[in-house]
This record gives sequence, C-alpha cells and structure tokens, in this order.
Amino acid sequence: KAGVTQTPRYLIKTRGQQVTLSCSPISGHRSVSWYQQTPGQGLQFLFEYFSETQRNKGNFPGRFSGRQFSNSRSEMNVSTLELGDSALYLCASSLDGLAGTKQFFGPGTRLTVL
Amino acid sequence: GENVEQHPSTLSVQEGDSAVIKCTYSDSASNYFPWYKQELGKGPQLIIDIRSNVGEKKDQRIAVTLNKTAKHFSLHITETQPEDSAVYFCAASNDNYGQNFVFGPGTRLSVLP
Repeated sequence: KAGVTQTPRYLIKTRGQQVTLSCSPISGHRSVSWYQQTPGQGLQFLFEYFSETQRNKGNFPGRFSGRQFSNSRSEMNVSTLELGDSALYLCASSLDGLAGTKQFFGPGTRLTVL
Repeated sequence: GENVEQHPSTLSVQEGDSAVIKCTYSDSASNYFPWYKQELGKGPQLIIDIRSNVGEKKDQRIAVTLNKTAKHFSLHITETQPEDSAVYFCAASNDNYGQNFVFGPGTRLSVLP
C-alpha cells in the first residue's frame, strides 16, 4: 500500500504571497491532519479533516486554512506569508480519525519564505 | 491543554548498548502514546505505540513502558545499531483532542560504531 504523499516537496515563496500544499492519504484513510515542524517550536498541530469537515483546529492564525475533498485528499493554504512561516509542513493520515488511531506521516513539504 | 516533556534532548550511545528516552505528560485524560522516529529529510515514522490500559509493549528491540500514576512513559531500545540514529519524538493524545497529537520536543539519538 502506498504511503502518504505530499506535493510539492520543496517550495520557495516571498513574504506576502500565498501557498497551497497538497496531501494524498493512504488509500482507505479518511482522516488527514496537518502539522508544522520548526526547530524552535517542534511539531505543532494545525488542523484535522475527516469526511471533508474540519474536526479539530490548533492555535494558528486564520491565515492557515485547509480543506478536504471527497476522495480524502487534502490541501492546506497559507495566505499572506510571513518569514516565520518557513517550516516543514507535515501531513498525517489515519483510518478513522478516532482518538488512539495510528497516524502515519508523509515526507513533508519544506516551505521557505524569503 | 496537554503538555509533553521529553528527556534527554540528545543521547549518544555505543553500538550494542541500550538507549532510554523518557517523556512526561500533564493531562491525566491522555490515553494513547505513540513514538515516532524521524530521519533526516523524512517525515516521522511510527515505531511503537501504547494505550493507557497497557503497562508495557515490546516489538523486537524496542519497548515502551507507561506509568499512568506518574504520568510518564519511556522508550527503550536494546542492542542499538547505527541505523537507530535519528530524532525520536513521543506524543500524547486523548478523546478530547482526537487526532490532535501533542508532541514532545524530540531526542537526537546518535549510535556510535
């Protein structure tokens, strides 16, 4: 079974621009979560989608948004980019999104904001 | 909310020795504790997990122990090998947060040949 895939793997943007990242979960998985990973803050939860609905949200500003499609693929959007948004953005999928369900990560998208 | 602490931040061991990484959590409602291994340039990989109704779980050279009373859990790696070198993260979650895992800051393990 193919793992979680994320595109693109690397992205360079300038301040003020917006960016869209894509995630394809493991086949059959319906829950997709997004995390931001930085050296200073570590791994931080952004939001989780299940059956096209956002179920949980972390403490990030409204510039960070996402959506999920009927095939469970998910996109994450960041508007008005800031230098501090430079990070590795990780997507994770799980079967049903219930608490205690195993979560599998993709390789991440490395975003650099100049 | 939940807070997860992890120690040590770096750990160097000789090949063949054991390595132990410890985590503590703050929310007594947390009931699922996975461990992830992250190699350079890759996403975190789930290596073992434990639920709150179990005190210990083992998978070959890797084991995890959980002390619910003290609210801490540990990762034990025996007979370490150079390929075990990576950053290890512990995490905690509970029914209140669903798939929102709270991660520890990570431990960089170096296995010296």
